[in-house]
Amino acid sequence: EAAVTQSPRNKVTVTGGNVTLSCRQTNSHNYMYWYRQDTGHGLRLIHYSYGAGNLQIGDVPDGYKATRTTQEDFFLLLELASPSQTSLYFCASRAETLYFGSGTRLTVL
Amino acid sequence: TQTVSQSDAHVTVFEGDSVELRCNYSYGGSIYLSWYIQHHGRGLQFLLKYYSGNPVVQGVNGFEAEFSKSDSSFHLRKASVHWSDSAVYFCAVSAQTGFASALTFGSGTKVIVLP
Repeated sequence: EAAVTQSPRNKVTVTGGNVTLSCRQTNSHNYMYWYRQDTGHGLRLIHYSYGAGNLQIGDVPDGYKATRTTQEDFFLLLELASPSQTSLYFCASRAETLYFGSGTRLTVL
Repeated sequence: TQTVSQSDAHVTVFEGDSVELRCNYSYGGSIYLSWYIQHHGRGLQFLLKYYSGNPVVQGVNGFEAEFSKSDSSFHLRKASVHWSDSAVYFCAVSAQTGFASALTFGSGTKVIVLP
């Protein structure tokens, strides 16, 4: 079964802090995605990638960088975290359907 | 650009009742539609999808959805809900251009099933 693992599960940082969220998939899927989930907004696409070294901009990319180092690993980087980035972050990989990780809850104080 | 709207933020039903969750989309071309379920504290899980053929599609756990091009809708239904169906349900759309087009999600409908 498809597996997507996110780490950490929870993260607290301060305004201006540097945060890296990690995602690994073991499905050999080409496409991987980062979403944020906020009440009233559903899931909003931050960045996505169709392979190692590739990066595509999503719908809400401001304040976020991402890097796809291998087929398996996709990282989301917040270099100067702000309270508006407090959210629940999901990574997913895609065959025909999306396979989601369990999420990372980020709090920026 | 595709958009998706889920008009009901919350739906409360009794166990054994039927339920219909509404999803409307806007997009000018061929479209790929799907529903996902999110139980509390978990990631989203795929329920069902439509991209062509029979407009009524069956999913897991007794869920089905019906595509209507004329109404730009893809409503999800279940004839008899169980307490375990309490969750948030998301409708998602993407242009039917393969995986190059990312999914756009609605804001979700929270379903509460009462005993």
